[in-house]
Amino acid sequence: AQSVSQHNHHVILSEAASLELGCNYSYGGTVNLFWYVQYPGQHLQLLLKYFSGDPLVKGIKGFEAEFIKSKFSFNLRKPSVQWSDTAEYFCAGSGAFGNEKLTFGTGTRLTIIP
Amino acid sequence: GAGVSQSPRYKVAKRGQDVALRCDPISGHVSLFWYQQALGQGPEFLTYFQNEAQLDKSGLPSDRFFAERPEGSVSTLKIQRTQQEDSAVYLCASSGYNEQFFGPGTRLTVL
Repeated sequence: AQSVSQHNHHVILSEAASLELGCNYSYGGTVNLFWYVQYPGQHLQLLLKYFSGDPLVKGIKGFEAEFIKSKFSFNLRKPSVQWSDTAEYFCAGSGAFGNEKLTFGTGTRLTIIP
Repeated sequence: GAGVSQSPRYKVAKRGQDVALRCDPISGHVSLFWYQQALGQGPEFLTYFQNEAQLDKSGLPSDRFFAERPEGSVSTLKIQRTQQEDSAVYLCASSGYNEQFFGPGTRLTVL
């Protein structure tokens, strides 16, 4: 069965700290991986995506993620967080054949202290 | 507008009532997905349309849930005889190819 897990439920950091949010997946076959963000009061927005090729993908707002196939991981990173990064972050996966349903993790709530 | 829109944004229903939730996808997007997001959880897949064809309804939790997209554009998710466990945010997403764009969701509260 397809599954995505996020082990950090709530992370609290000070501004300028470095961020790494964990994501592990279990999929049969080729997988597409995504990170979505939900800012307070807003809808889900795509941060970045991995389909194939370079395992280090860069997204918007200085975020990046690394696909490590041997570890079944797709962790999200940012070298220096800002107060405006306070949000809920969701890792998601899908099959790789186009327009397939997303399987989400339970999300990580990130709080940045000014 | 350029994004996915959903209406109503909030719905309060008494247990046993029927509700209908609407999704307007991005113009030209062939694929449309519905997800259910319970409090403190990630979204969970309900059903998928390609144009007007419902290709996957494996995530619908019971036969009280029904979705349609008769002209391949606007979609409606209907829940009959609502129960308290149906309380959640219902998200709609549309996709051109491989990237899903989400609407703001409808928060359903069943009393």
